[in-house]
Amino acid sequence: DTGVSQDPRHKITKRGQNVTFRCDPISEHNRLYWYRQTLGQGPEFLTYFQNEAQLEKSRLLSDRFSAERPKGSFSTLEIQRTEQGDSAMYLCASSPLASGRPGEQYFGPGTRLTVT
Amino acid sequence: KQEVTQIPAALSVPEGENLVLNCSFTDSAIYNLQWFRQDPGKGLTSLLLIQSSQREQTSGRLNASLDKSSGRSTLYIAASQPGDSATYLCAVPHSGTYKYIFGTGTRLKVLA
Repeated sequence: DTGVSQDPRHKITKRGQNVTFRCDPISEHNRLYWYRQTLGQGPEFLTYFQNEAQLEKSRLLSDRFSAERPKGSFSTLEIQRTEQGDSAMYLCASSPLASGRPGEQYFGPGTRLTVT
Repeated sequence: KQEVTQIPAALSVPEGENLVLNCSFTDSAIYNLQWFRQDPGKGLTSLLLIQSSQREQTSGRLNASLDKSSGRSTLYIAASQPGDSATYLCAVPHSGTYKYIFGTGTRLKVLA
């Protein structure tokens, strides 16, 4: 069990550029979540996958945000035409569906995005 | 709409004290509640998961209780240590979905 990994750990981009983040969940976990966290706040739900199906998506996830999880393995989160307000920590979590402790979320280290 | 509140927002205590952190939620139709720890600039570490059928969970010096009917959970930390200094967050699902709502956390500082 190597845990949830995220890449890159840090990303600095200029306003208007597109960025893509990757999350590799724990291998046997069916569920994968994306959250966004700003300073002093708790994580804010963005979207959730069960296997390859995207089952829920926050209204906060505007048309500029898209997430995929092809083949139910790793996931990518893309932000198009970045804005300064997108600067935040983007967190990925995974959880098992039935084995171990169902529903318990395990988080990755996060990707810190800075939009200049 | 599920809302989660954590009190206190910040806490500073001398080493060795027993602590209680509070989490309240507005929609009691939850199937679990999870407590996390977050160190500055890092991801979240799961501490305890309580299923809706359970009243409490224990791990080492940590004990979490759940009272669904009153919409409250408490995290009890026994014999606090400087290494316990971190932000503690609770999370509950929103209205039977898998959309988890987090509180803003309690920032704990344990002084040596």
